[in-house]
Amino acid sequence: EDQVTQSPEALRLQEGESSSLNCSYTVSGLRGLFWYRQDPGKGPEFLFTLYSAGEEKEKERLKATLTKKESFLHITAPKPEDSATYLCAVRTGGGSEKLVFGKGTKLTVNP
Amino acid sequence: DTAVSQTPKYLVTQMGNDKSIKCEQNLGHDTMYWYKQDSKKFLKIMFSYNNKELIINETVPNRFSPKSPDKAHLNLHINSLELGDSAVYFCASNPTGAVYEQYFGPGTRLTVT
Repeated sequence: EDQVTQSPEALRLQEGESSSLNCSYTVSGLRGLFWYRQDPGKGPEFLFTLYSAGEEKEKERLKATLTKKESFLHITAPKPEDSATYLCAVRTGGGSEKLVFGKGTKLTVNP
Repeated sequence: DTAVSQTPKYLVTQMGNDKSIKCEQNLGHDTMYWYKQDSKKFLKIMFSYNNKELIINETVPNRFSPKSPDKAHLNLHINSLELGDSAVYFCASNPTGAVYEQYFGPGTRLTVT
């Protein structure tokens, strides 16, 4: 069965303290890995798509990278407004188009 | 100019009742979904529709019945509600073929007492 595991479950940082979130996956026929951001009381919001090992994507203070077994979301000099839950999802192979999500990492950035 | 909207935002009801959640998207997308996010924040797909046709039906109890009257609407009806149905239900949509770029609604928090 396709699985996505995110770590840590929760992460507290001071403003400006860089760190990384991890997403490891076990899927049959990976057809893309995606990062979403979810604010409290809201639906997830799409951030990045990664398709092949070695690929990197950047957006403001966030950079996502992909290897054959895992993805990292690097947060450089975070600000309090970066506080959110970050979800990783994979697009599985087979006949049905769907995303399988991890449980997320709740990031809190203190001023 | 809300992209994906859901009603109601909160729903509190008793075990055994029947309830519906409505979803509408004004993005012109062909594909719509229902997800369930449990208390541990685990987001799991329940159903997907493409142009009013059911595409994905995960192992969901048949007390849950989705209906798509047109490609802009996807409703979820739940019969005989149980305590374990308490969760946040999200509707989402994407253009055909762009399964990764899903736009989510604000969610409906269902509490069954």
